[in-house]
Amino acid sequence: QKEVEQNSGPLSVPEGAIASLNCTYSDRGSQSFFWYRQYSGKSPELIMFIYSNGDKEDGRFTAQLNKASQYVSLLIRDSQPSDSATYLCAVTRMDSSYKLIFGSGTRLLVRP
Amino acid sequence: DADVTQTPRNRITKTGKRIMLECSQTKGHDRMYWYRQDPGLGLRLIYYSFDVKDINKGEISDGYSVSRQAQAKFSLSLESAIPNQTALYFCATSDRRKGQPQHFGDGTRLSIL
Repeated sequence: QKEVEQNSGPLSVPEGAIASLNCTYSDRGSQSFFWYRQYSGKSPELIMFIYSNGDKEDGRFTAQLNKASQYVSLLIRDSQPSDSATYLCAVTRMDSSYKLIFGSGTRLLVRP
Repeated sequence: DADVTQTPRNRITKTGKRIMLECSQTKGHDRMYWYRQDPGLGLRLIYYSFDVKDINKGEISDGYSVSRQAQAKFSLSLESAIPNQTALYFCATSDRRKGQPQHFGDGTRLSIL
């Protein structure tokens, strides 16, 4: 089992719809959770982080965390073609290194 | 100017050559990381450094070495490059506080023929 799992996609949604991206993780001690957006050939760009159970909203983006079920999700409201990218979920581990463990990413396609 | 700068941005070289990729940052972060990214495999950690005197191997360190010349500089070397080291390489930095995000440079596209 991978430490951080994401569906590779592609997830295809029409413009204006809500895109829902999911991520599960295996380390129950994980405390910090991040979503990065990566356009093809470009570097990962941090878009959201969440530390506590519940929802966190920032503009069109909402991160949701459920530690009991070990999943974190990202909702993108009013999806735009410019949101088409790969979304990487990253989780910290509880060992002393505090490294980020990345999922392989979900590719999102927003159809005009 | 970018906060995390990688040089070169692109490099094509031959098998057996020694290559150095450089990373410098102006964010004042203590922690620095080197990743490689291959299609379908995601980001894999090569080496990381928590300060100038603390360097650690990641999950795929074989064939690579690093040098932390200063708080702001972290270099990755391929002593004798081989074709399966062809990949996109990223440097990242983070603050020393627990659970902080990592910030990435623009990457180096490395091709080994």
